[in-house]
Amino acid sequence: GESVGLHLPTLSVQEGDNSIINCAYSNSASDYFIWYKQESGKGPQFIIDIRSNMDKRQGQRVTVLLNKTVKHLSLQIAATQPGDSAVYFCAENTASGTYKYIFGTGTRLKVLA
Amino acid sequence: GAGVSQSPSNKVTEKGKDVELRCDPISGHTALYWYRQRLGQGLEFLIYFQGNSAPDKSGLPSDRFSAERTGESVSTLTIQRTQQEDSAVYLCASSPIGGGRGYTFGSGTRLTVV
Repeated sequence: GESVGLHLPTLSVQEGDNSIINCAYSNSASDYFIWYKQESGKGPQFIIDIRSNMDKRQGQRVTVLLNKTVKHLSLQIAATQPGDSAVYFCAENTASGTYKYIFGTGTRLKVLA
Repeated sequence: GAGVSQSPSNKVTEKGKDVELRCDPISGHTALYWYRQRLGQGLEFLIYFQGNSAPDKSGLPSDRFSAERTGESVSTLTIQRTQQEDSAVYLCASSPIGGGRGYTFGSGTRLTVV
């Protein structure tokens, strides 16, 4: 099956600092992207999404940036809190109108007190 | 229901046995997805059901894996003659047509093959 990622990269940030998590997506035909947060023992949870006709979208304490030229996606978390500690995945739809998402490697975010 | 429900939450089975994993999607969600997540890794797409259309089985890793769904209700993922490499968390998600932010995951079934 389709699979990405081996060992999860880890980002450690101090509580209160901003976090930036990066993702390189694979398919230039993808037009919809989602960031998910996965806490230990739970399924992934939707954080924020963005369509390819946008390059930035903001939510509550989170911002997603999309650079289609280099097929790069980033998630910025402002004023990182201990509850933000989790694994973060980006996902892409691979083609317009498809709802089968391909997930990125995942990044583990550790918030240091 | 309020969320996607998966059962069992944990399953330990002996190598060579068959297992059946169950997913109850959110009521009204027409699409249902199965993913596999090995320890410390990302999510691997397995299969996708959309209403009464033929399922997208392109992610199933071998013919030992199969899944069924009747209409827009419960789905079962069956793994025959389990192998140790099948050990993983199996995640189910459902969504209304169009996916997106309505793509809700269950907590998964942790399968351990011994």
